Amino acid sequence: ETGVTQTPRHLVMGMTNKKSLKCEQHLGHNAMYWYKQSAKKPLELMFVYSLEERVENNSVPSRFSPECPNSSHLFLHLHTLQPEDSALYLCASSQEGLAGVTGELFFGEGSRLTVL
Amino acid sequence: AQKVTQAQTEISVVEKEDVTLDCVYETRDTTYYLFWYKQPPSGELVFLIRRNSFDEQNEISGRYSWNFQKSTSSFNFTITASQVVDSAVYFCALSEVLSNYQLIWGAGTKLIIKP
Repeated sequence: ETGVTQTPRHLVMGMTNKKSLKCEQHLGHNAMYWYKQSAKKPLELMFVYSLEERVENNSVPSRFSPECPNSSHLFLHLHTLQPEDSALYLCASSQEGLAGVTGELFFGEGSRLTVL
Repeated sequence: AQKVTQAQTEISVVEKEDVTLDCVYETRDTTYYLFWYKQPPSGELVFLIRRNSFDEQNEISGRYSWNFQKSTSSFNFTITASQVVDSAVYFCALSEVLSNYQLIWGAGTKLIIKP
């Protein structure tokens, strides 16, 4: 099993659809992250979960809804998205979380989302 | 204001050439960390190095080397004798106390190594 796996790898959805992205980590880490990667922009941190506590970027629209049922699984629920939400969504994990990132982040390969 | 600047959007060199990727950062903290990550075409970012603000020694790992200079707030990355497999997008990142140590990313430099 690779360290961090994301499904699906590619997703095309209409603006009225509801879909979810899934992330699973097999590294025993206690923090998981969702990042948004848009072309030629810095990675944007959307959400962090650490020991079931959540920190979010206040600029993330409510049409993105995270869920972390346990320390190994992370979901990003998507509903009524806009075309500008098309991007690569990356999941990551680390040993730290809310205490800060002084160590290494382990990333999945991402879910490429296209909103029509 | 951007805290991590990677001014080179894209660099293209021929295989075996040396190439340096620039990273300039801004922080008011005295304690901070700097990182480089590589993103190959497959998508996942791969950690390359972490440096803390108290360690200005340059680092060498095989064909990779990093030059950390606090005087110029730079943390540049050099690949010696580049290879096609080095083609990727490279990200520099900063974590600092003031940002609660959450990573602040540069926009990335796309490196193309031509055979």
